[in-house]
Formats: sequence, C-alpha cells, structure tokens
Amino acid sequence: GAGVSQSPSNKVTEKGKDVELRCDPISGHTALYWYRQSLGQGLEFLIYFQGNSAPDKSGLPSDRFSAERTGGSVSTLTIQRTQQEDSAVYLCASSAGLAGTYEQYFGPGTRLTVT
Amino acid sequence: AQSVSQHNHHVILSEAASLELGCNYSYGGTVNLFWYVQYPGQHLQLLLKYFSGDPLVKGIKGFEAEFIKSKFSFNLRKPSVQWSDTAEYFCAVNANTGFQKLVFGTGTRLLVSP
Repeated sequence: GAGVSQSPSNKVTEKGKDVELRCDPISGHTALYWYRQSLGQGLEFLIYFQGNSAPDKSGLPSDRFSAERTGGSVSTLTIQRTQQEDSAVYLCASSAGLAGTYEQYFGPGTRLTVT
Repeated sequence: AQSVSQHNHHVILSEAASLELGCNYSYGGTVNLFWYVQYPGQHLQLLLKYFSGDPLVKGIKGFEAEFIKSKFSFNLRKPSVQWSDTAEYFCAVNANTGFQKLVFGTGTRLLVSP
C-alpha cells in the first residue's frame, strides 16, 4: 500500500508570501503529525491530529502557522507571511493510534526555502 | 519539558567496527523510547522501540538498545557496522502521560567507510 505522501517536494517562496503544504496520510491512520526539521536541529513537533479530537497545537511556533485536517484524512499546513527562519524541511507522519504506542510513518518531507 | 540529548553529532567508523550512539532524556516518569533512522534519500523509519519489560531491545538490521532508567539513557548499539548503516539516527521519547507527541534528539550522522 501507499505510504505517507507530501506535496510539493520542494517549495521556494519569497519572504512575506503564504505557502500551503499538503500531507496525505496512510489510509486508515487516525493520527497525523507535522514536524519541522531545520539544519542542525532535530525534529521539532508542530501539531498533532487524532481522530475527531481537537488538535494539539502546542508546537506551532507562531500564529502565522496553522493546520487543518479535512475529513480525518488529508492535512494542510499553512504558513502565512513567510520569514527566512521558516526555511526547513516539513515532515508529516501518520500512525494507527497513539504516539506512544504506534509507530509513526513519515513522508518524504517538503523542503521550504524562503528567499 | 521533555528533552532528548544526542551527544554524538557525527560519527565515522570503518566497517566491522562496533557502534554505540548515546541518547539521554530528561523526564522522571514512565517513558516510551524510540530510535528512528534515515538512510540517504529515504524516509525516516523506525529502528526499534522500548515500552516496558526487558530493557535490552532488539531491532532491525542487528541493532539493539538498552534502557537504563537510573541513567535516563537509551543507547543504540551494533556489534559490527556495515557500509549500508550509513545514515542519520534519531532518538525520541514519549512521556507516557497522554501527550501524544514524540520529542526527538538532534540526530547523529553515521558514516561507515568500506
């Protein structure tokens, strides 16, 4: 079966523009996560969706970042008024259940470059 | 707040050498522990995990890790590395408190020379 897919694979944008990053999780996975990986940094948790529960947004770095998950499947991460420090690889992962119990399956990531 | 430390940022080994990558976490309660690996050009994938029971955990490709609660450590080991083990390795922890996220370390880049 298909794994987690993300689009676009690369995105170059000008400072101040908005960007949307898309994640298609593995079919049937109830949990979906967004992480950010900056050069020399580990994976930084951004946001978590689990079923119909309210998302855990505790990792979003500013109010310029937001995410939606429609119909319990596809998710979109939106960054408004991009800044150069937003340049990073944005990773999406999905799992069949709770983070502490189920393996997270990662997508290939979207490399965002803000010029 | 939980944190994970991986002190070795870059490791270079020759084939057949033994490997140990350090991982320490800061959380005093019950934890679930993971090692993920990212091979060049590939996605992050799970190498092994510890939830409870035997603190010595076996993973794929001959890797193992030992949970030492008193040291807050979960070091990754392999007795004899291969060129194909060249990758970036990430340790991660989930505090078993209901917070449904993993906290990752900064990663260790391993280069195995043939």
